Amino acid sequence: DTGVSQNPRHKITKRGQNVTFRCDPISEHNRLYWYRQTLGQGPEFLTYFQNEAQLEKSRLLSDRFSAERPKGSFSTLEIQRTEQGDSAMYLCASSLGSSNNQPQHFGDGTRLSIL
Amino acid sequence: DQQVKQNSPSLSVQEGRISILNCDYTNSMFDYFLWYKKYPAEGPTFLISISSIKDKNEDGRFTVFLNKSAKHLSLHIVPSQPGDSAVYFCAATGSSNTGKLIFGQGTTLQVKP
Repeated sequence: DTGVSQNPRHKITKRGQNVTFRCDPISEHNRLYWYRQTLGQGPEFLTYFQNEAQLEKSRLLSDRFSAERPKGSFSTLEIQRTEQGDSAMYLCASSLGSSNNQPQHFGDGTRLSIL
Repeated sequence: DQQVKQNSPSLSVQEGRISILNCDYTNSMFDYFLWYKKYPAEGPTFLISISSIKDKNEDGRFTVFLNKSAKHLSLHIVPSQPGDSAVYFCAATGSSNTGKLIFGQGTTLQVKP
């Protein structure tokens, strides 16, 4: 069990640039989630994949955000035309099974800073 | 609309004593509750969970209690150790069929030697 892996750990970019983050879930985990966490708050749900299908998106996920999970393995989260308010920690989590009542295991996140 | 609330931003206890972290929720659809621990620069680590059909779950030094009528849960850590110092998040799921977690704001626990 190598855990959930996220890359890069840190990303600093100028406003207006595009950024892409990658998440490698625990192998064989069919469920994958993206969350965003800002200072002093708990993580907030962004989107959910079951295998390769994106089944839920939060209203927090504006049209500048897109996520994919080709072949149901790793996932990418892209933010286009970044804004100051996008600065946050982006967390990926995965879990196994068909039941919602399984703990999600988190990666260490990608910290995005917009200059 | 904060569906999961942790009203105490911080808690300080002496090593060896009990730590009690509290969490309230408003959505009666929640049916599974979890506690996560987070160290700086790391992602949340799963600690313990409880299903809504139970009122207590215990794992070593950690016990979670659920009071459905009060929509309240608590995490007890006994005895507390300095290594337990971290941010603790309460989370709940069941409001959708995807298992997405709704988190509280977190409580920072400091265990003093």
